[in-house]
Amino acid sequence: DAGVTQSPTHLIKTRGQQVTLRCSPKSGHDTVSWYQQALGQGPQFIFQYYEEEERQRGNFPDRFSGHQFPNYSSELNVNALLLGDSALYLCASSHVGRGETQYFGPGTRLLVL
Amino acid sequence: EDQVTQSPEALRLQEGESSSLNCSYTVSGLRGLFWYRQDPGKGPEFLFTLYSAGEEKEKERLKATLTKKESFLHITAPKPEDSATYLCAPLYNQGGKLIFGQGTELSVKP
Repeated sequence: DAGVTQSPTHLIKTRGQQVTLRCSPKSGHDTVSWYQQALGQGPQFIFQYYEEEERQRGNFPDRFSGHQFPNYSSELNVNALLLGDSALYLCASSHVGRGETQYFGPGTRLLVL
Repeated sequence: EDQVTQSPEALRLQEGESSSLNCSYTVSGLRGLFWYRQDPGKGPEFLFTLYSAGEEKEKERLKATLTKKESFLHITAPKPEDSATYLCAPLYNQGGKLIFGQGTELSVKP
């Protein structure tokens, strides 16, 4: 059973650029959440997608947007990158109605120069 | 404002030296609490879900307990392979937002 997968594993961008990160959920899961984790900190919730709609959003600016596809996979888009956007971006999947335990992928390490 | 605090921030143990990690929170409408283990540069690995005060879960050398305001992760006779950062995350009442603590970095020396 494949777990949560994310791509790419690493990414280097420059300030002002745009980036798209991808996530495939664990088999049988229908909900995808995105988190940002700065070095030495716990993950911070960005948003969650269910049934192709944004279900909940954390305190992140509109530069952060997302999408969920009919096959439940998801994308995270970040526009106008800032140096402070450098972090590990984590995707987690879960199934509504099964206790909502979230299983995380390996993450995408984004470096903004 | 919902807050999650983990203590200590870092813990160094000798192999076989048991200890406990604490997670305290001020989350209104708690629906559950999760414990994760995270190795450097990797995604968090799910350990336990606790749903009600008094509940306990065990896995190998780890045991998690839950009260109304805090949770403990007890580590019995740890081994070097238990070295990692341990994260707790209460599940917010509305929706699926997890609020993470900053983690406890555990180091177990042989």
